Amino acid sequence: SQTIHQWPATLVQPVGSPLSLECTVEGTSNPNLYWYRQAAGRGLQLLFYSVGIGQISSEVPQNLSASRPQDRQFILSSKKLLLSDSGFYLCAWRVSPNTDTQYFGPGTRLTVL
Amino acid sequence: GNSVTQMEGPVTLSEEAFLTINCTYTATGYPSLFWYVQYPGEGLQLLLKATKADDKGSNKGFEATYRKETTSFHLEKGSVQVSDSAVYFCALETSGSRLTFGEGTQLTVNP
Repeated sequence: SQTIHQWPATLVQPVGSPLSLECTVEGTSNPNLYWYRQAAGRGLQLLFYSVGIGQISSEVPQNLSASRPQDRQFILSSKKLLLSDSGFYLCAWRVSPNTDTQYFGPGTRLTVL
Repeated sequence: GNSVTQMEGPVTLSEEAFLTINCTYTATGYPSLFWYVQYPGEGLQLLLKATKADDKGSNKGFEATYRKETTSFHLEKGSVQVSDSAVYFCALETSGSRLTFGEGTQLTVNP
């Protein structure tokens, strides 16, 4: 069966520090991968998605970036965190854009102080 | 473009009460509709879905019917439990697009 992992589960970082969040998927090949952010009291905002290795599409301009160095690995990064980057970051995957179910990871709670 | 509007929360109910969380949508084309649930401190889980008009999605006692004429997909449960306390997200997707989520509705069920 397929599983999705995210780490770390929680993270507290100072403003201006770098960020690296990792997401890996097991049990499937060439998944479509997604990064969402959920700010406090708000809905989900799609940040990035990827249909294959090295292929990244950005939905919202910001100081975050994403990379997909391996088929089942999706990394969210920042060179310098802002206070507004605080939130709950969720990784998700699905088989292809034509399948209608996305499966979400457990999330990473990021607090920028 | 696509958009989803959910009933504002938070919603607080007593155990065994009837639950309705309203969801309406705007979409180009013929969307698939979803309800996701997020339990405290966890990621999202798919609760139920419907892919065409008049379909009813159901799971764990929750139901939602795809109403094309009213562009709605309201979530209902006849008797809620404390364990149903969570945030509920309505979402849609049309072919070739990405999932569009509503703002989420916080449900708290008291014993």
